[in-house]
Amino acid sequence: EDQVTQSPEALRLQEGESSSLNCSYTVSGLRGLFWYRQDPGKGPEFLFTLYSAGEEKEKERLKATLTKKESFLHITAPKPEDSATYLCAVQGDFSGYSTLTFGKGTMLLVSP
Amino acid sequence: NAGVMQNPRHLVRRRGQEARLRCSPMKGHSHVYWYRQLPEEGLKFMVYLQKENIIDESGMPKERFSAEFPKEGPSILRIQQVVRGDSAAYFCASSPLAESTDTQYFGPGTRLTVL
Repeated sequence: EDQVTQSPEALRLQEGESSSLNCSYTVSGLRGLFWYRQDPGKGPEFLFTLYSAGEEKEKERLKATLTKKESFLHITAPKPEDSATYLCAVQGDFSGYSTLTFGKGTMLLVSP
Repeated sequence: NAGVMQNPRHLVRRRGQEARLRCSPMKGHSHVYWYRQLPEEGLKFMVYLQKENIIDESGMPKERFSAEFPKEGPSILRIQQVVRGDSAAYFCASSPLAESTDTQYFGPGTRLTVL
């Protein structure tokens, strides 16, 4: 069974204070690792897909990296508008047709 | 280009009533997925559908829950005889193809409250 663990559960940063969110996963044959952002009362918003160890992707202040056991979402010089819950999900060989297995998320709060 | 649309956004039902949740995928997408998010828990896969076909319903409770995606119209997630434990946010996602790593795009969700 695919498993995803995200840490920390919650993170409070000052504006401009860079940090990283962790996503550890166990999967039989990783087909893809996905990062989403979710604002309160809204649906998850797609950020990145990573396919293989060593891959990196960037978007504005966010950078996602992938190893064989975990992924990091690095946030550089965050702003208050980056406050949200960040979700990590994996798709594995035995998880069914395109099924995503999600972690519980990291709630990020960036203070001005 | 409109995103995934879900309605209603909020739904209140009394125990024993039926709940119908609707999902219209993004234009050009023919694959629909339903997920449930319980308080303090992550999103859990329920069912995956293509037009007129249920492909994978392994995450859906065997009783009271059903889903369809007809040739015309939105996908429907139906919950019969709702109980308080069904209170949750239900999200629909869509993708253009069911290739192994096709990105799923999510709708805004339906918040179901069972009184």
